[in-house]
Amino acid sequence: DVVMTQSPLSLPVTLGQPASISCRSSQSLVHRDGNTYLNWFQQRPGQSPRRLIYQVSNRDSGVPDRFSGSGSGTDFTLEISRVEAEDIGVYYCMQGTNWPWTFGQGTKVDIK
Amino acid sequence: EVQLVESGGDLVQPGGSLRLSCVASGFTFSNYWMHWVRQVPGKGLVWLSRIRSDGRYTDYADSVRGRFTISRDNAKNTLYLQMNSLRADDTAVYYCARDDYGRNSLDYWGRGTLVTVSS
Repeated sequence: DVVMTQSPLSLPVTLGQPASISCRSSQSLVHRDGNTYLNWFQQRPGQSPRRLIYQVSNRDSGVPDRFSGSGSGTDFTLEISRVEAEDIGVYYCMQGTNWPWTFGQGTKVDIK
Repeated sequence: EVQLVESGGDLVQPGGSLRLSCVASGFTFSNYWMHWVRQVPGKGLVWLSRIRSDGRYTDYADSVRGRFTISRDNAKNTLYLQMNSLRADDTAVYYCARDDYGRNSLDYWGRGTLVTVSS
């Protein structure tokens, strides 16, 4: 199985400041069809996961533009340009290139 | 509005069985692959199983293959997960999620149902 490794696992942030989460995969996430299937999910406290980003950098409808995804191959990043209070929660990357689909361990974002 | 509502979670003894349901609304259920994902409280997400839109293809994670069975009833817009030979490490919140076909992703998730395996 593809192992997804996130860092940091805990990210204390200051409101209004940027934040960045790294996700590395144990093998390339470039699919044989040429696409890279790397997703980012947000899980607020007490809620189910919500997808933010698919295929590395495509934001879902309704996701604020302060969220952005980037990366290629085995190295990916989720950035929040200016953290707001509603961004508190756990963020997961997930690869959809190889079966079984696998998730990172999660990065907990909270207020410093 | 897409909605997925899971039910059926309960306290069950080791070795017991349970069937989870997920009722879908707000989209044409019969057109979509569906998945089950679980999360041990306070821990990460683990993909468990998927089923094709017509129900004729299924796939499982190694950890549940042979014990869990995914199925669906498109006439009832309902996804199921039959769980047998339950173990303590199956204790988790179980989510159903919709497949975002062509994007190899999960675009909508239910709120989850808690399964506790304990004597």
